[in-house]
Amino acid sequence: DAKTTQPPSMDCAEGRAANLPCNHSTISGNEYVYWYRQIHSQGPQYIIHGLKNNETNEMASLIITEDRKSSTLILPHATLRDTAVYYCIVRVVLGSGNTGKLIFGQGTTLQVKP
Amino acid sequence: SQTIHQWPATLVQPVGSPLSLECTVEGTSNPNLYWYRQAAGRGLQLLFYSVGIGQISSEVPQNLSASRPQDRQFILSSKKLLLSDSGFYLCAWSRPKEQYFGPGTRLTVT
Repeated sequence: DAKTTQPPSMDCAEGRAANLPCNHSTISGNEYVYWYRQIHSQGPQYIIHGLKNNETNEMASLIITEDRKSSTLILPHATLRDTAVYYCIVRVVLGSGNTGKLIFGQGTTLQVKP
Repeated sequence: SQTIHQWPATLVQPVGSPLSLECTVEGTSNPNLYWYRQAAGRGLQLLFYSVGIGQISSEVPQNLSASRPQDRQFILSSKKLLLSDSGFYLCAWSRPKEQYFGPGTRLTVT
């Protein structure tokens, strides 16, 4: 079962910031939060991940609350090509710790509009 | 740079026929490899993972099996397909923390 909950859909105007929320109230101390996105009929694309601290890369920023029970993915300047299903995932450690299972939920369908 | 390949891209097979999907990774050695399935309108479900040649772990009981005959090759198989095996099959490889997905194989069992 997915350990995250997300709104099923969101709209965002092109050029504006897209803020995608995620709740993960049952996350364990050593479990990371990951974000992927999937454009129709393609494999999921890695965006960003974090444990406790906020993270930023060339694609997005990840803001994790201090209690780690929720997070927000921020796309600073959304474009039409950012239209996709965005998955917030808690990575469950398997075996030795270098192997992890990504438990996908239903995700948020982000529609970027001109 | 690392790349991951899957083939075929699409496949239509009758019920009861065998299945073999192949995944290969380039540009890395001893990767962790994964098979996921995505049913229509749903999220991905982990089917198998492998931490090395010949080492396969199954996450859910099912009609499928996996093998890893070489370091960077991962194969998903079935002896007799069921209608419920239809879906989008994705192979992934990982560094210690990040997983990267292949382009997927869309399987339709008729």
